[in-house]
Amino acid sequence: GENVEQHPSTLSVQEGDSAVIKCTYSDSASNYFPWYKQELGKRPQLIIDIRSNVGEKKDQRIAVTLNKTAKHFSLHITETQPEDSAVYFCAASIRRNDYKLSFGAGTTVTVRA
Amino acid sequence: NAGVTQTPKFRILKIGQSMTLQCAQDMNHNYMYWYRQDPGMGLKLIYYSVGAGITDKGEVPNGYNVSRSTTEDFPLRLELAAPSQTSVYFCASSYNTGELFFGEGSRLTVL
Repeated sequence: GENVEQHPSTLSVQEGDSAVIKCTYSDSASNYFPWYKQELGKRPQLIIDIRSNVGEKKDQRIAVTLNKTAKHFSLHITETQPEDSAVYFCAASIRRNDYKLSFGAGTTVTVRA
Repeated sequence: NAGVTQTPKFRILKIGQSMTLQCAQDMNHNYMYWYRQDPGMGLKLIYYSVGAGITDKGEVPNGYNVSRSTTEDFPLRLELAAPSQTSVYFCASSYNTGELFFGEGSRLTVL
């Protein structure tokens, strides 16, 4: 099955700096890569996703890049703000079935004021 | 729309007891899922359904059962609860592929 590894497990950044989270996946057939944000005690919510026919996608301060050859994808958050503090999960589709996802273990991001 | 509604929010079970976690969605989504979330482990897929009458196993199905008699409801049944099933359970739904909409979660403790 799909194996998604996520690094780092914790990340502390100064407000205004950038944060980068990296994920690797094992199944070359995976074709859908979403990122979810989970605030403390809340449900996970989708913040951005990318499909295998695209190398980069941006939405305001967040961006995702995908390297299919190397089988890794990354989340970039620029100009971090206190409300960016949360746990972030990457995920990859299991084979080409992008309704079935394998999640990474999560990265706890803390933005220091 | 209420979105995805899970009940109960909290439950304590004794070893060997059984219970059902309820999940309902009012978005007419055809896909529904059950995940469990353990500290530092991310979300693991237990069972999923692509439509009424169709269910299939995910990554960690042992000890659980599901049914999907209607588009709206996707209950998760735990038979013979074990301490290893202590976790936070999330139900989710999606329209075809793409964004998962999660419920608020159900925190289950098995003692």
